[in-house]
Amino acid sequence: EVQLVESGGGLVQPGGSLKLSCAASGFTFSGSTIHWVRQASGKGLEWVGRIRSKAHSYATEYVASVKGRFTIFRDDSNNTAYLQMSSLKTEDTALYYCTTNFDGASYWGQGTLVTVSS
Amino acid sequence: DIVMTQSPDSLAVSLGERATISCKSSQSVLYSPNNKTYLAWFQQKPGQPPKLLFYWASTRESGVPDRFSGSGSGTDFTLTISSLQAEDVAVYYCQQYYITPYTFGQGTKLEIK
Repeated sequence: EVQLVESGGGLVQPGGSLKLSCAASGFTFSGSTIHWVRQASGKGLEWVGRIRSKAHSYATEYVASVKGRFTIFRDDSNNTAYLQMSSLKTEDTALYYCTTNFDGASYWGQGTLVTVSS
Repeated sequence: DIVMTQSPDSLAVSLGERATISCKSSQSVLYSPNNKTYLAWFQQKPGQPPKLLFYWASTRESGVPDRFSGSGSGTDFTLTISSLQAEDVAVYYCQQYYITPYTFGQGTKLEIK
């Protein structure tokens, strides 16, 4: 069974940092592309960024609003992807999902909540 | 960035009636070399992550009831529910995955009239 489990969310002050984890199981993690998508409370979905596999040089892309502040990386030996967030702003407050797609299916975790507030 | 615009923002339909949601992209999401349209539809119910309904604009994800259909090409797309059921109450999103950033529409909230 494919599973994605996010963790690491919490309350952080503006300007602070936080690292989210996405632990994967049930599929060949090393060959996958992992995306991060966020959703502010009561709002729509926003694609944050992605990291591709080793075969694609672990290429990363980000939405403009987080570029230079967020970094996605992965540890294929532990089947885990990470979202390192720094210089956090109040507008980064959201539920953060990791997600992947393969064989015509899309898999999502349940999300981890990040609250940026003083 | 490609802007995805859905209409309407909310929709109330009677049980058993047809529901239609539109999605327009600010540029084509058709990749001509492989003739594939990089457009997906998601359904999100309260407290749940999004669920994929369609990819390549009209390819139904396994397990999605056939009362759901996806259509369209180029820049104009439609999600249709032919006979609304109570369990279809949700917010529906389109997403382009043609080019990063992979943008979503703002969502359409579907309710029972």
